[in-house]
Amino acid sequence: DQQVKQNSPSLSVQEGRISILNCDYTNSMFDYFLWYKKYPAEGPTFLISISSIKDKNEDGRFTVFLNKSAKHLSLHIVPSQPGDSAVYFCAAARGSTLGRLYFGRGTQLTVWP
Amino acid sequence: SAVISQKPSRDICQRGTSLTIQCQVDSQVTMMFWYRQQPGQSLTLIATANQGSEATYESGFVIDKFPISRPNLTFSTLTVSNMSPEDSSIYLCSVGGLSSSYNEQFFGPGTRLTVL
Repeated sequence: DQQVKQNSPSLSVQEGRISILNCDYTNSMFDYFLWYKKYPAEGPTFLISISSIKDKNEDGRFTVFLNKSAKHLSLHIVPSQPGDSAVYFCAAARGSTLGRLYFGRGTQLTVWP
Repeated sequence: SAVISQKPSRDICQRGTSLTIQCQVDSQVTMMFWYRQQPGQSLTLIATANQGSEATYESGFVIDKFPISRPNLTFSTLTVSNMSPEDSSIYLCSVGGLSSSYNEQFFGPGTRLTVL
């Protein structure tokens, strides 16, 4: 049972434009959400996170938006750069199960010049 | 964060054999985890490696198939036993408890396993 879903396996964006990666979840008990980036032959790298008490968190070019009523979050990258090309994983956690992360299947982002 | 290394980085193994994967962290960490990523799938937690006690396994994973050791706060091993082609995956260790949020985990580079 996939509790975290990334329905778009791939996204292609031109350099300089905005990339929007989407993630949906089914478990209303999730209260912390994370985005990871993964390059080939490397492990996932933590990118940005958001607590359920917030609806937005920003870090440089990366912003994560959380819509709890829709059980939906998105990652915005502005402006997109070719170096952002990677697989992006959405993950969710429950405070009651410390350390247990539930991952989506990932979205391959390609940023072309 | 922490520097996490895994050995081997990749291996090709015969059906029925076992492989032990090592995970080394450059600092003492509270939590260590083992994940599997099958082709085209998400990262799935296998178990939490507990220092000084038996690992805590997720549903669908058992100790006989995936024995785990964690002798200290910087090192852990995962063994994939009696392998079959279905065990072909990337195996990753991760550590947690390093930042203000205990939910943030940092991953090693992974071990790519192919079983023939």
